[in-house]
Amino acid sequence: RKEVEQDPGPFNVPEGATVAFNCTYSNSASQSFFWYRQDCRKEPKLLMSVYSSGNEDGRFTAQLNRASQYISLLIRDSKLSDSATYLCVAGAGGTSYGKLTFGQGTILTVHP
Amino acid sequence: GAGVSQSPSNKVTEKGKDVELRCDPISGHTALYWYRQSLGQGLEFLIYFQGNSAPDKSGLPSDRFSAERTGGSVSTLTIQRTQQEDSAVYLCASSSGGGFGTQYFGPGTRLTVL
Repeated sequence: RKEVEQDPGPFNVPEGATVAFNCTYSNSASQSFFWYRQDCRKEPKLLMSVYSSGNEDGRFTAQLNRASQYISLLIRDSKLSDSATYLCVAGAGGTSYGKLTFGQGTILTVHP
Repeated sequence: GAGVSQSPSNKVTEKGKDVELRCDPISGHTALYWYRQSLGQGLEFLIYFQGNSAPDKSGLPSDRFSAERTGGSVSTLTIQRTQQEDSAVYLCASSSGGGFGTQYFGPGTRLTVL
């Protein structure tokens, strides 16, 4: 079983749609969580950190449920420019640094 | 300011040759990471540097892989006797804050082993 699991998709949605991505992690010692975005043939870039209280950045909302070891990302009013691969990431606890474990990524295509 | 840079951007080599991949982290970032991303695979951790030391080499797939960092800055990942399964994009990231800061990635080196 992979440490971080995501539905690989692909998700194909029209502009303006709301889309939700889910992710589970198996290491209960994980202490930090993130969503990264990766465009085709580009490097991953941090989209947002994820906190237990939930956090929002414009059209993007992230949630963390530690009891269920579950992370989500909600994108509202999708734009064509949101088309990318979304990577769910867990940072290990019990280490002296923020070792990151990445999920396989969820592919999103937003069409006109 | 300048981000993480990597060179070369693309490398094609023959099976059995050695290759060196270079990473220039963001100035002042003490933590440096190497990952690789194979076709259809997620990012796979290889090695972590704090300064010039590598406290975690657990992700290196075999003893053909090694990495060093000098002057707390530039890092080189060396793959000896390359195999076709080494073909992947090799990504470098750096962060500040003793390794818990946000990791910023370079554009990667696409390695193809024929």
